[in-house]
Amino acid sequence: GESVGLHLPTLSVQEGDNSIINCAYSNSASDYFIWYKQESGKGPQFIIDIRSNMDKRQGQRVTVLLNKTVKHLSLQIAATQPGDSAVYFCAENEGKTSGSRLTFGEGTQLTVNP
Amino acid sequence: DGGITQSPKYLFRKEGQNVTLSCEQNLNHDAMYWYRQDPGQGLRLIYYSQIVNDFQKGDIAEGYSVSREKKESFPLTVTSAQKNPTAFYLCASSSRDTQYFGPGTRLTVL
Repeated sequence: GESVGLHLPTLSVQEGDNSIINCAYSNSASDYFIWYKQESGKGPQFIIDIRSNMDKRQGQRVTVLLNKTVKHLSLQIAATQPGDSAVYFCAENEGKTSGSRLTFGEGTQLTVNP
Repeated sequence: DGGITQSPKYLFRKEGQNVTLSCEQNLNHDAMYWYRQDPGQGLRLIYYSQIVNDFQKGDIAEGYSVSREKKESFPLTVTSAQKNPTAFYLCASSSRDTQYFGPGTRLTVL
């Protein structure tokens, strides 16, 4: 069926650099997207979301970009810190037919080197 | 102190035993969810409930059962029929599209 996937399973960056985590989705009916951060042994934590009527949304040190033409979602983290080291998941809500169900990607492990 | 609580944090069971994982939320959310996460993997949906006294199977419901008698509570029972129950179990709730997660329960079958 339809799925959400990530381009890179791992990403290693230097402290202070910007990080970009990518996500591809295949369902053109998806109208809502979320990024989660999961630290080891903990539950996923909401970071930022975006609806399909937008192409960019900014939070504190994070920006989500949505390109509906190529069905691509990205999470940008500015001035990456060691505390940002975690697995990052994207998730999509596949429109009204799915109700409140989300489909999750496989995750990207971000490692921040001091 | 609002949020989603799961208990216990760690759970051990012997093969062949049923075990129930607790999930409680005080966020007044209508919908609740159970996910399974295996090491290095993403989240897979077990069951979800969009309203009290109603629930639907997710993608991997076999060997699991749930109930939703109260809005605040959505317990998950891992039955002896689940062939490989050792995993990290996550509960979530939502009022609209955004799901918020609990801290998880790590179940180990001995």
